[in-house]
Amino acid sequence: DGGITQSPKYLFRKEGQNVTLSCEQNLNHDAMYWYRQDPGQGLRLIYYSQIVNDFQKGDIAEGYSVSREKKESFPLTVTSAQKNPTAFYLCASSKDRDASYEQYFGPGTRLTVT
Amino acid sequence: GENVEQHPSTLSVQEGDSAVIKCTYSDSASNYFPWYKQELGKGPQLIIDIRSNVGEKKDQRIAVTLNKTAKHFSLHITETQPEDSAVYFCAASRNYGQNFVFGPGTRLSVLP
Repeated sequence: DGGITQSPKYLFRKEGQNVTLSCEQNLNHDAMYWYRQDPGQGLRLIYYSQIVNDFQKGDIAEGYSVSREKKESFPLTVTSAQKNPTAFYLCASSKDRDASYEQYFGPGTRLTVT
Repeated sequence: GENVEQHPSTLSVQEGDSAVIKCTYSDSASNYFPWYKQELGKGPQLIIDIRSNVGEKKDQRIAVTLNKTAKHFSLHITETQPEDSAVYFCAASRNYGQNFVFGPGTRLSVLP
């Protein structure tokens, strides 16, 4: 099956710990994205990557870090500097940065920090 | 930057009736407008999209209209069914798909 996988589906961490969320795609897409979703709000862009070894900050990058060492993978680390990390995190990918292609979303990871 | 507003925040309709969700955007350079459906605990799925060179697009029971002058676009669902119940998000972007700005979402409930 082609698509985007995110693991785990639910993640629990203690305050002060860093945590890494996984995102893998086998769609051969160039671009990948991380969004955060909070109740009653739309999706907000954390980071995006248009090509391997390159990534850009989105609207709410503070307290997060990413890497893009492989085309298929775009892990997100939620650091202890993120003040309100509890949220639903969505990864997405699109085929090409310069073409009119839709973004495909993964199933999401719900992170709870206590 | 771009700002996308979406109304209503919640919408309840009887099965078989039509549902309309409206979005407005602020950046006149935006040229791609997708609509996503999100079911509980899942990632959003694209249901229809429209580009700025088109005024209307239809796919079976779903249609989207775009008014560039007024900077608003709408999702129309006809003959609603219980499985249409979900949260719907609109979005806008420049450059056909880069860096979407999403609306806050509309929770649609279709009552049997």
